[in-house]
Amino acid sequence: EDQVTQSPEALRLQEGESSSLNCSYTVSGLRGLFWYRQDPGKGPEFLFTLYSAGEEKEKERLKATLTKKESFLHITAPKPEDSATYLCAVQARGYGQNFVFGPGTRLSVLP
Amino acid sequence: DTAVSQTPKYLVTQMGNDKSIKCEQNLGHDTMYWYKQDSKKFLKIMFSYNNKELIINETVPNRFSPKSPDKAHLNLHINSLELGDSAVYFCASSFTGQSYEQYFGPGTRLTVT
Repeated sequence: EDQVTQSPEALRLQEGESSSLNCSYTVSGLRGLFWYRQDPGKGPEFLFTLYSAGEEKEKERLKATLTKKESFLHITAPKPEDSATYLCAVQARGYGQNFVFGPGTRLSVLP
Repeated sequence: DTAVSQTPKYLVTQMGNDKSIKCEQNLGHDTMYWYKQDSKKFLKIMFSYNNKELIINETVPNRFSPKSPDKAHLNLHINSLELGDSAVYFCASSFTGQSYEQYFGPGTRLTVT
């Protein structure tokens, strides 16, 4: 069964304090690993897709990396507006394979 | 211009009632989804429709029925509502192809009393 876990559950950072969020996954043949950001009361917002081990994607202060068992979301010099819940999801290969989401990491960046 | 929209945003109803949530996307995507996010914020897929054909049907009660009149719309009808159905329901859409990223609607908060 495909599974996704995320750590830590919650993370508080001071503005400018860089850190990383972890997503560990078990999937029978990875089609893609996805990172989303979710603000309170809103739908998840797409950030990145990673397809194979060694791949990296960057967007502003965020950088996502992928290995065969986990993905990291690195946040460099975060700002208060980066505060949100970050969700990781995987999709397995094969027709009709569903997306499995992790429980998320709730990030708070204090000014 | 809203990419994925849902109505209503809030829905409060009593046990035993039947209700529908509507979803529309203007991104030209060929696949649409319904997700349930419970009080613990866990996002779980319920249904997926690809070109009006159901391709995923997770183990949800048959009181829930998705209806897709065309590939831009996917509605969710719920019969005989129960207290445990209270949650936030999200609609999403994507292309089927090389890139599968999903775009989500704003959510519908359903409260069953």
